[in-house]
Amino acid sequence: DMQMTQSPSSLSASVGDRVTITCRASQGIGNYLAWYQQKPGKVPKVLIYDAFTLQSGVPSRFSGSGSGTDFTLTISSLQPEDVATYYCQKYDTVPRTFGQGTKVEIK
Amino acid sequence: EVQLVESGGDLVQPGGSLRLSCAASGFTYSDYEMNWVRQAPGKGLEWISYINAVTTAYYADSVKGRFTVSRDNAKNSLYLHMDSLRVEDTALYYCARDPPGPGGHFDYWGRGTLVTVSS
Repeated sequence: DMQMTQSPSSLSASVGDRVTITCRASQGIGNYLAWYQQKPGKVPKVLIYDAFTLQSGVPSRFSGSGSGTDFTLTISSLQPEDVATYYCQKYDTVPRTFGQGTKVEIK
Repeated sequence: EVQLVESGGDLVQPGGSLRLSCAASGFTYSDYEMNWVRQAPGKGLEWISYINAVTTAYYADSVKGRFTVSRDNAKNSLYLHMDSLRVEDTALYYCARDPPGPGGHFDYWGRGTLVTVSS
């Protein structure tokens, strides 16, 4: 079955740091990749879709890149409100598999 | 304003059945493809089902043959009928909407309904 592998599984960084999360697909998925943010106790929210398109209303410090099998979510300057778990998701075909998540904390 | 409101979650014994509902409002529901996603306690997100506007449906292997998704466009509602429930089906179940036009990410989510499978 198709796998989506995120790394790292967790990270701790300081306010203002640049943070990078990667997502690798076991087969090519073109640009059919989204990134979601889920804050503790909250509903997931889409940040990026089509690999690099910023969802309306999402701060510009979030950006996405990549295509095929390797993708990256970057937070250019980590803020306290960015504490959350981040998930990638493929949607080229079904199943629309999520990565296992990356938990981001403030150091 | 787009709203998705799930209901029907409950405590059920292993082997039992349950039907979840998702009431949609604030958009032309019949035009949109819909999904169910679940999240076990303390775990990650798992996509489990998709249905298009014309009732073509797909399922994750973990629920195939046990769960059935359906929709009633006249009632602006999405359903998930769950049979042969297992302890590992315990989770918060979300309904989520595909965006308009091409694309398969989820632009709106409900708040979820909790299903607990336990004896």
